[in-house]
Amino acid sequence: QKEVEQDPGPLSVPEGAIVSLNCTYSNSAFQYFMWYRQYSRKGPELLMYTYSSGNKEDGRFTAQVDKSSKYISLFIRDSQPSDSATYLCAMSAIGNQFYFGTGTSLTVIP
Amino acid sequence: EAEVAQSPRYKITEKSQAVAFWCDPISGHATLYWYRQILGQGPELLVQFQDESVVDDSQLPKDRFSAERLKGVDSTLKIQPAELGDSAMYLCASRLGGEAGANVLTFGAGSRLTVL
Repeated sequence: QKEVEQDPGPLSVPEGAIVSLNCTYSNSAFQYFMWYRQYSRKGPELLMYTYSSGNKEDGRFTAQVDKSSKYISLFIRDSQPSDSATYLCAMSAIGNQFYFGTGTSLTVIP
Repeated sequence: EAEVAQSPRYKITEKSQAVAFWCDPISGHATLYWYRQILGQGPELLVQFQDESVVDDSQLPKDRFSAERLKGVDSTLKIQPAELGDSAMYLCASRLGGEAGANVLTFGAGSRLTVL
């Protein structure tokens, strides 16, 4: 079983839709949870970072962590064509290496 | 804004040739990572440095790959000889480390390798 599972999509939504992206994990030691956005042929850029459980909001983006279910989510409200990218979830325990999902490809159609 | 610098951005080479990638992490970041990302997949760790020391190179194909960070600042990843299956994006990332809140990775723009 992989440490992190992520549905690769692809996901296609109309502009203005709410997007939900999810990852599950198996290692209960993970405490740091990240979402990265990666445009084609570019390096991943950090979108959201959460320590332990709970929600975090930043503009149109909300990250949720449910440690009891080992499930994390990223919500994008009022999606824009510029949100079209691959979204990677990543997680780690203290001082340990990082584990990545395979990425979900998102296309927002104008 | 501080960023991780990588070069070259693109490299096309023939199999059996030698290739080298360079990375300069964010100033003060003690931990440096090299990842390989194949199209449609997540990054896979090749090697992790803490200052100038290798912390984890268990997934580095040591018969053809080598990495160094001699002065604990910038780093070089080398492939010799390159094989067709090495075609991928090579990503460098750095981390401040230490306390909680600094446990996030900052990636460079990547070096895309095509082996013909």
